[in-house]
Amino acid sequence: DIQMTQSPSSLSASVGDRVTITCRASQSISTYLNWYQHKPGEAPKLLIFAASSLQSGVPSRLSGSGSGTDFTLTISSLQLEDFATYYCQQSYSSPWTFGQGTKVEIK
Amino acid sequence: QLQLQESGPGLVKPSETLSLACTVSGDSIRSSSYFWGWIRQPPGKGLEWIGSIFYSGITYYNPSLKSRVTMSVDTSRNQFSLKLNSVTAADTAVYFCARHLTAAGYNCFDPWGQGTLVTVSS
Repeated sequence: DIQMTQSPSSLSASVGDRVTITCRASQSISTYLNWYQHKPGEAPKLLIFAASSLQSGVPSRLSGSGSGTDFTLTISSLQLEDFATYYCQQSYSSPWTFGQGTKVEIK
Repeated sequence: QLQLQESGPGLVKPSETLSLACTVSGDSIRSSSYFWGWIRQPPGKGLEWIGSIFYSGITYYNPSLKSRVTMSVDTSRNQFSLKLNSVTAADTAVYFCARHLTAAGYNCFDPWGQGTLVTVSS
């Protein structure tokens, strides 16, 4: 199985901050990488697929980049609604695997 | 708007079978070429893909759970289901269902249900 490692596991930030979350795959996965946002009690939400393609309805302050083994999710200016846990997921080979999550908390 | 909702018992005894259903609304489960998947999250841990099913009944499962998992589709109820047998405390988790998109080889899950907590305990 492909292992996905996210860093940091949590971070504290203020509204307006630029936030970067990193995801590393245990082997090259080209751009087969998705990002999700999850808030407690809500359904997880797909944000970005194919490493950098923004899902419909997702604000443009979110962006994804990377290929191979190293990927980044960036929030250019953190808003209140962005405080959540973020997960990466590889879609290169089954079984589809997720990172352990990065919790973004209010500073 | 497509919505998914999980349902089933919140408490299952060890060694018994966990059974959950996912009701799809807003579209027919057989109207499009999508798979439908189950993902779980044990307390304090990450997400784990369990398996996915096509409306025709084609399935594929995570090898780590394959020996204990059965998924099925009921097109008349617009539902798909999960059965996990011989459960232990390690199967305690929030179980999510989701549409599994496979376009252009990119596999992602969207949308998801809100999830349902299943606790394995006597």
